[in-house]
Amino acid sequence: AQKITQTQPGMFVQEKEAVTLDCTYDTSDPSYGLFWYKQPSSGEMIFLIYQGSYDQQNATEGRYSLNFQKARKSANLVISASQLGDSAMYFCAMRGQGGSEKLVFGKGTKLTVNP
Amino acid sequence: DAGVIQSPRHEVTEMGQEVTLRCKPISGHDYLFWYRQTMMRGLELLIYFNNNVPIDDSGMPEDRFSAKMPNASFSTLKIQPSEPRDSAVYFCASSLPASSVQQYFGPGTRLTVT
Repeated sequence: AQKITQTQPGMFVQEKEAVTLDCTYDTSDPSYGLFWYKQPSSGEMIFLIYQGSYDQQNATEGRYSLNFQKARKSANLVISASQLGDSAMYFCAMRGQGGSEKLVFGKGTKLTVNP
Repeated sequence: DAGVIQSPRHEVTEMGQEVTLRCKPISGHDYLFWYRQTMMRGLELLIYFNNNVPIDDSGMPEDRFSAKMPNASFSTLKIQPSEPRDSAVYFCASSLPASSVQQYFGPGTRLTVT
């Protein structure tokens, strides 16, 4: 079965610094997709970045990048130049195992950006 | 596009009552998902549809929960009878096919069962 592990319940970072949020996954399927979503205190789920299992390069989207290490089954999110508005819950998720379209989520990491 | 629309945004009901949550997916999206978020269990899939047909309902807690998608632009999640442990945020999401495509989430319905 799919499993997503986020070992950091909470993280703190100073404004303008970079931060890495950890995510490891467990799957025996060769084809899958990895996603990161942001959930601010207002509650909506905001898509940040995607990495495919066959992608050779790490995904980047603006200040977000994904450090994909397939052999280690890790997909860490890196946020550069943190902003106060980055304070939120961050969820790692996987989709596509066994042909299923459902997202399997980790428990999330609460990021707090300090001024 | 207006995005995924859910109604109501908040629902407070008494134990034993029937609750119906509604979702309008983004036009053209073939997939529709219902997720539930609680502090204890996190975000978990309840059911998803492809072209209005239920594909995976393994996450539906029990017979008290049912979901329908009568057409491409509307889905309902019904709880009858509701119980306090059903209190959660229920998200509807939609997407195009292929695992590389993001799922677009609605704003969620916060359900409180007293």
